[in-house]
Amino acid sequence: KAGVTQTPRYLIKTRGQQVTLSCSPISGHRSVSWYQQTPGQGLQFLFEYFSETQRNKGNFPGRFSGRQFSNSRSEMNVSTLELGDSALYLCASRGGSSYNEQFFGPGTRLTVL
Amino acid sequence: GESVGLHLPTLSVQEGDNSIINCAYSNSASDYFIWYKQESGKGPQFIIDIRSNMDKRQGQRVTVLLNKTVKHLSLQIAATQPGDSAVYFCAERERDDKIIFGKGTRLHILP
Repeated sequence: KAGVTQTPRYLIKTRGQQVTLSCSPISGHRSVSWYQQTPGQGLQFLFEYFSETQRNKGNFPGRFSGRQFSNSRSEMNVSTLELGDSALYLCASRGGSSYNEQFFGPGTRLTVL
Repeated sequence: GESVGLHLPTLSVQEGDNSIINCAYSNSASDYFIWYKQESGKGPQFIIDIRSNMDKRQGQRVTVLLNKTVKHLSLQIAATQPGDSAVYFCAERERDDKIIFGKGTRLHILP
């Protein structure tokens, strides 16, 4: 089975721009979660999608949004980028018998200049 | 803020010794507590989980202990190997199924 893939792997943007990140989950997994990872804050939960619906949301401003498609692929969008948005964005999928086992992609490293 | 946190940011252990990584949590309503390992340049990887009604669970070379009285979770790694070098996160699966992570402990293996 192919693992979770994320594109692009690296991205450089400037303040005020917007960005869209993509995640393809493991085949058959319907849940996709997004996390922001920074050295100071660790792994912070952004949101989770299940069957095209946002099921949970973390404490991030409305500039952060996401969606999920019928094939379970997910995208997250950050509008009006700020310097503090520089981080590693990880997506994780899960499904099957162990719902505690999230499978993470390698992440997208976003740098905002 | 985060309801799951860690006592120590870095832990150094001699190769072959046992490692104990600790975690404090505050959300007593979580159904499961989970440990993940993140190696450099990779996403976190699931190690082991424990249901909230249990106090101990063993896996291959790892044991997780849950003390609900003091809201404490620990991960014990037996006979630590160089490949165990990583950042370890405790996490909890809340009632609404979302998984929340603590800040992580870096495990450093001394030769």
